[in-house]
Amino acid sequence: AQSVTQPDIHITVSEGASLELRCNYSYGATPYLFWYVQSPGQGLQLLLKYFSGDTLVQGIKGFEAEFKRSQSSFNLRKPSVHWSDAAEYFCAGARSNFGNEKLTFGTGTRLTIIP
Amino acid sequence: DVKVTQSSRYLVKRTGEKVFLECVQDMDHENMFWYRQDPGLGLRLIYFSYDVKMKEKGDIPEGYSVSREKKERFSLILESASTNQTSMYLCASSWSTSFRGSGIESTDTQYFGPGTRLTVL
Repeated sequence: AQSVTQPDIHITVSEGASLELRCNYSYGATPYLFWYVQSPGQGLQLLLKYFSGDTLVQGIKGFEAEFKRSQSSFNLRKPSVHWSDAAEYFCAGARSNFGNEKLTFGTGTRLTIIP
Repeated sequence: DVKVTQSSRYLVKRTGEKVFLECVQDMDHENMFWYRQDPGLGLRLIYFSYDVKMKEKGDIPEGYSVSREKKERFSLILESASTNQTSMYLCASSWSTSFRGSGIESTDTQYFGPGTRLTVL
C-alpha cells in the first residue's frame, strides 16, 4: 500500500537556524509529492509540490524540498527559520495527478521555534 | 485566489444529534474532499466527490455520509453524532485532470478550508 511517513513528531529549532523536516514515501512508481503547512487554528496551505523534472523544488516562504528516489525521501528545508514558521507540516503523496487520485498524508511534524 | 469556506469554525453537539458540516468553494473545482484530523494520525480521508451527485468512500467513511447537489457545495453529515467523532474536520477542493488535461497547472493540488472543530458531548 502507498504510504507517506514523517518520522519526527516534534522538532524544535532556534530562530535563524536551518531546518530540515523528513518525509519518506512508499510508492511503486514516482509519486506526486506535496508539502503543506498548517498554522495554529488554520487550514492547510500548499508550500510546494513535485511531479517530475528537477528534483529540487522551490516553494513559498523560502522553503525548498529535494526528491531523492534512491532514499525514497522528499525532505523539506529552509536555510534560516523565522518565528512565524512555527506550525505543523504535512507531507502528502499521490500516485498520479489524474482524475480522482487521493492524497495520502503523513502524520505531521510540529515545528517549534525558540528565540 | 482559491477560496474554500466552511460553515462553522467551532461546533458543539450532543451525542445522537444529526450534524451537518458545509463546505463551499468558489473556483469551479470538480473534486471536493472531507478529511478529519486527529493528533498523531494526520489527515484521514472520509469521503470525496469528483462531480455533482457523485461520491466515493475514503479511508474512514463509517458513521458519515455526504451530499453534493451543486458543484460548489459539499456537505458532510453525521447521522447520529458520537463522542468518537469529536475532531477537526477539513474540507478541500481541486481541479480534475481528467476533465482539464494534464499539466502542472491542472494537477490535483488540493486547496483547504480553515476547518471546523467539532466537539460531541
